[in-house]
Amino acid sequence: GAVVSQHPSWVICKSGTSVKIECRSLDFQATTMFWYRQFPKQSLMLMATSNEGSKATYEQGVEKDKFLINHASLTLSTLTVTSAHPEDSSFYICSARGVPYNSPLHFGNGTRLTVT
Amino acid sequence: AQKVTQAQTEISVVEKEDVTLDCVYETRDTTYYLFWYKQPPSGELVFLIRRNSFDEQNEISGRYSWNFQKSTSSFNFTITASQVVDSAVYFCALRSTNAGKSTFGDGTTLTVKP
Repeated sequence: GAVVSQHPSWVICKSGTSVKIECRSLDFQATTMFWYRQFPKQSLMLMATSNEGSKATYEQGVEKDKFLINHASLTLSTLTVTSAHPEDSSFYICSARGVPYNSPLHFGNGTRLTVT
Repeated sequence: AQKVTQAQTEISVVEKEDVTLDCVYETRDTTYYLFWYKQPPSGELVFLIRRNSFDEQNEISGRYSWNFQKSTSSFNFTITASQVVDSAVYFCALRSTNAGKSTFGDGTTLTVKP
């Protein structure tokens, strides 16, 4: 089955630093990747849609300068949380969708970010 | 706009009981896709089932079955003979061809007690 690898699984950083999260599709080409944020006991909140070779499309209310997304290849997308603050602490999840269009999303294991 | 409603926040059953998770959706698109995902305590979401809007045939896959009713915009998911390992948060999701992105419900936390 399709496998999406997300790293790191957890990270603790100091306020003001930047953190990069990687999302890789291991055995399929992902033309589209999605980045979600999930708060405890809540649903997934879509942050942005990442298409290979083009700029990411951010959801309303998501700061694109704070959450930098790069999708340089068909198998790799990265999310960089810049100048992280404690309120950025959350569970970040990436997902990838291959072809055909009605393919399900395949999710990474998620990254638990804690900003101190 | 798309919307997915999972009215059941939490469900608790005893092992071997059958349990049905409800999902109601809203969309103006005529072609769309519905999904159920499972998120165990480990955190990784796992795809369970998919249904296309133009295919209303209900199916059974092992202990899982689903009931897609286009007339009532519902896509309910049933686990037969539940097991402790079924304990997780279950998300219903909708994707239309126009929107591209998926809309998730708030999730239903299922606890299966031994």
